[in-house]
Amino acid sequence: QSVLTQPPSVSGAPGQRVTISCTGSSSNIGAGYDVHWYQQLPGTAPKLLIYGNSNRPSGVPDRFSGSKSGTSASLAITGLQAEDEADYYCQSYDSSLAVFGGGTKLTVL
Amino acid sequence: QVQLQESGPGLVKPSQTLSLTCTVSGGSISSGSYYWSWIRQPAGKGLEWIGRIYTSGSTNYNPSLKSRVTISVDTSKNQFSLKLSSVTAADTAVYYCARDVPNGDYFDYWGQGTLVTVSS
Repeated sequence: QSVLTQPPSVSGAPGQRVTISCTGSSSNIGAGYDVHWYQQLPGTAPKLLIYGNSNRPSGVPDRFSGSKSGTSASLAITGLQAEDEADYYCQSYDSSLAVFGGGTKLTVL
Repeated sequence: QVQLQESGPGLVKPSQTLSLTCTVSGGSISSGSYYWSWIRQPAGKGLEWIGRIYTSGSTNYNPSLKSRVTISVDTSKNQFSLKLSSVTAADTAVYYCARDVPNGDYFDYWGQGTLVTVSS
């Protein structure tokens, strides 16, 4: 059971907007620790998508955005594309260790 | 561009010690104030942080694995290593090494991962 809770799956049609939630607690996200997001395409290593709650590394399209409020965070993807089909993981910090969400599989219909 | 590459045996017998090395290229492992982490992912499951090391040698480990884990660094070879003792089938996973950015604690560069299977 993961420390951070994500929905197992979300889906959307091309061009649509989807959001993925990440729920934590007062010992991690609620304690002020940043939330980061990773995209894992099938058979590949995770790739940093969002860091520091809402910052995009160079090369990540602005279709991807992140936010944080209280003990939760969200990843939004607009203008959904077939290439966005992947697993998405949130990550934060808790009691001196990095913790991840269980992952959300995004299906592009 | 920093690159990381894991290496080590793909098959380990139960009760033995799993040993992996991560070779960093495209920059010195000692440059910048980075940590260097190990993360694993069982097939079809999520990510689990194992632990990290700073180039000074200081370490942090996941409490759930702490009694079995040792992470070390060899700056002369631009490498850091993972040892996990007394392995069982539950330790079968893809093991990733990653660069850990402090004051944010996120992982900006990852190795491609290496599958380690624990089986007799």
